[in-house]
Amino acid sequence: DTAVSQTPKYLVTQMGNDKSIKCEQNLGHDTMYWYKQDSKKFLKIMFSYNNKELIINETVPNRFSPKSPDKAHLNLHINSLELGDSAVYFCASSHPGQGLDTQYFGPGTRLTVL
Amino acid sequence: AQSVTQPDIHITVSEGASLELRCNYSYGATPYLFWYVQSPGQGLQLLLKYFSGDTLVQGIKGFEAEFKRSQSSFNLRKPSVHWSDAAEYFCAVGARRGNDYKLSFGAGTTVTVRA
Repeated sequence: DTAVSQTPKYLVTQMGNDKSIKCEQNLGHDTMYWYKQDSKKFLKIMFSYNNKELIINETVPNRFSPKSPDKAHLNLHINSLELGDSAVYFCASSHPGQGLDTQYFGPGTRLTVL
Repeated sequence: AQSVTQPDIHITVSEGASLELRCNYSYGATPYLFWYVQSPGQGLQLLLKYFSGDTLVQGIKGFEAEFKRSQSSFNLRKPSVHWSDAAEYFCAVGARRGNDYKLSFGAGTTVTVRA
C-alpha cells in the first residue's frame, strides 16, 4: 500500500502546453505539499494545503495552480509550460501537531519540457 | 526564517568505513530536524528525526544523528557503510507558526561508496 502516490512518474511535453500532476495520500494526513527539485537537486517548497485550504504559496508563478478536491488529494496544474519548469516535483503529506510534523514524500514526477 | 547548510557537496567512502555527514541549521527556536535519503531515481525516505528529548537519535538502516544546540548542528553518522548507502542525503529543518509549517532543506550531500 503506497502511502503517498503521484502520477505520472515521467512527463515529457512541449513548451506552451498545460499539464497536471496528481497526488494522493492514504495516511489520513491533514496537510499536503508540493516541492520542486531542480537539476542541482535543491528541494524547495512550492505550496502547502491544510484541509483543502492553501497555507503556503512560495512565490510560485501563477501558471502553477494547486487544486485540492479533498483532504487526500493535492493536484498540481501547470499552464503554459516553460523550459525552466523542467524538474522533479515531489508531493508530501504530514499531520500537524507536536511530534507529528514528519513529512512523507511521494516518488516524484520528472517533468521534461522540450 | 530557518535555513540549513550541508557543507559537504560530495563524500566518497569505502565500503565498511564509517560515514559522517554534516548539517548546520539556523533557527531562532528549538527546531524540528530531519534527515532524508534519496536513492537514484527515487523519492525521499525519512531516515530519522529530532523533535525533543534525547539528543542522540537512532534511525533506520543503522543511521544515527546527534543534535548539538551549542553548535547548531545535526550530523548524521553510520559506523559501517554498505554499497547500498550510496545516495543523496538531505538535512531539513521544520518550523511552525500556527498552521504555517515549512520544511527547509539543505542542498544535499552525495555519498559515493567504493568497493
